[in-house]
Amino acid sequence: KAGVTQTPRYLIKTRGQQVTLSCSPISGHRSVSWYQQTPGQGLQFLFEYFSETQRNKGNFPGRFSGRQFSNSRSEMNVSTLELGDSALYLCASSLTLAPAGELFFGEGSRLTVL
Amino acid sequence: KQEVTQIPAALSVPEGENLVLNCSFTDSAIYNLQWFRQDPGKGLTSLLLIQSSQREQTSGRLNASLDKSSGRSTLYIAASQPGDSATYLCAVVSGGGADGLTFGKGTHLIIQP
Repeated sequence: KAGVTQTPRYLIKTRGQQVTLSCSPISGHRSVSWYQQTPGQGLQFLFEYFSETQRNKGNFPGRFSGRQFSNSRSEMNVSTLELGDSALYLCASSLTLAPAGELFFGEGSRLTVL
Repeated sequence: KQEVTQIPAALSVPEGENLVLNCSFTDSAIYNLQWFRQDPGKGLTSLLLIQSSQREQTSGRLNASLDKSSGRSTLYIAASQPGDSATYLCAVVSGGGADGLTFGKGTHLIIQP
């Protein structure tokens, strides 16, 4: 059974650009969540999607957005990149919407903003 | 606001030892608690999930306990091996899950061969 797949694994952008990251959940999982991991702040919740609708959102500016497609695949977008957006972005999938269910994470997309 | 603390931040022990990692949380109204491991540059691997109504969960050499009233969880690793070297993260889901998982900063574990 394939796990959570994230693409791209690594990317480098410059300030002011935008980036789109993709996540394919485990087959049959309908919930996709996104987290940002930095050395200083640790892991922080961005948002959760279930059945193509954003259900929960963390405390991040509006530059961070996402969407979920009918096949449960999800994308997150960061516009007007800042140096502080450099981080490992992790996607997690779950069978059910939070708070129930175990989360399974992908390998992450490492974003470097120059 | 829920806060999760993990002690110690780093731990180095010889192979074969049994060890305990600690996790505490400030709001006892959690829905569940999950332990993960993270290898350098990698994603998170789920180890154990404990629902709020449970006291412990076991998987192989790992045993996690939960004391919700005191806001604590421990991860016990028996007969440690060099392959157990990783960062171990504790995370809780509070209330309705609107804030997703709240993570601790992790315990960086090194098992010396």
